[in-house]
Amino acid sequence: ETGVTQTPRHLVMGMTNKKSLKCEQHLGHNAMYWYKQSAKKPLELMFVYSLEERVENNSVPSRFSPECPNSSHLFLHLHTLQPEDSALYLCASSQDTGSVSNYGYTFGSGTRLTVV
Amino acid sequence: GQSLEQPSEVTAVEGAIVQINCTYQTSGFYGLSWYQQHDGGAPTFLSYNGLDGLEETGRFSSFLSRSDSYGYLLLQELQMKDSASYFCAPGNTPLVFGKGTRLSVIA
Repeated sequence: ETGVTQTPRHLVMGMTNKKSLKCEQHLGHNAMYWYKQSAKKPLELMFVYSLEERVENNSVPSRFSPECPNSSHLFLHLHTLQPEDSALYLCASSQDTGSVSNYGYTFGSGTRLTVV
Repeated sequence: GQSLEQPSEVTAVEGAIVQINCTYQTSGFYGLSWYQQHDGGAPTFLSYNGLDGLEETGRFSSFLSRSDSYGYLLLQELQMKDSASYFCAPGNTPLVFGKGTRLSVIA
């Protein structure tokens, strides 16, 4: 366990479904992130939350909707997804020092999403 | 903007030494981080170089030259378990990763 827990580990959903991914950290970090990892592509930053405020939305389609109710929890709400959205969705947390990530990000094990 | 260049694949023999290079272009540079990711696993933080020079942590070392916009990860006494993908990332938050280098360690 990394200290960042993601559920579910695997998810298969239809294009008309609505589902949510959950991320939880108890490391005392104040920043949380969603990344998407597709086959043969770099990790893509999707959303950034710092002190529960969304500070970055990296041009992500509106069918992905993040929510950060407190500093320990992060959700990614999914609706009307496309097959090309099938990927590994990774959550990470860090202690945001403003500009430098010298203590590193802690990643969860991810949710493997398949859209059918 | 930001760009990162790493070799896509490297193969090395168990017990050997391998160096994975990373060149970058980014504005407002704050150091270089390295992450390891095994297939199906989470990326894990390996090291951070905020200043030029070599940082050593056990079998792994990381080097940074800010004047050359270049860094590398050095893995010594390779083990089969070191087979994984390795990512460099400029230390600016939020982290943006390149495509990574897939290291295969063979017997």
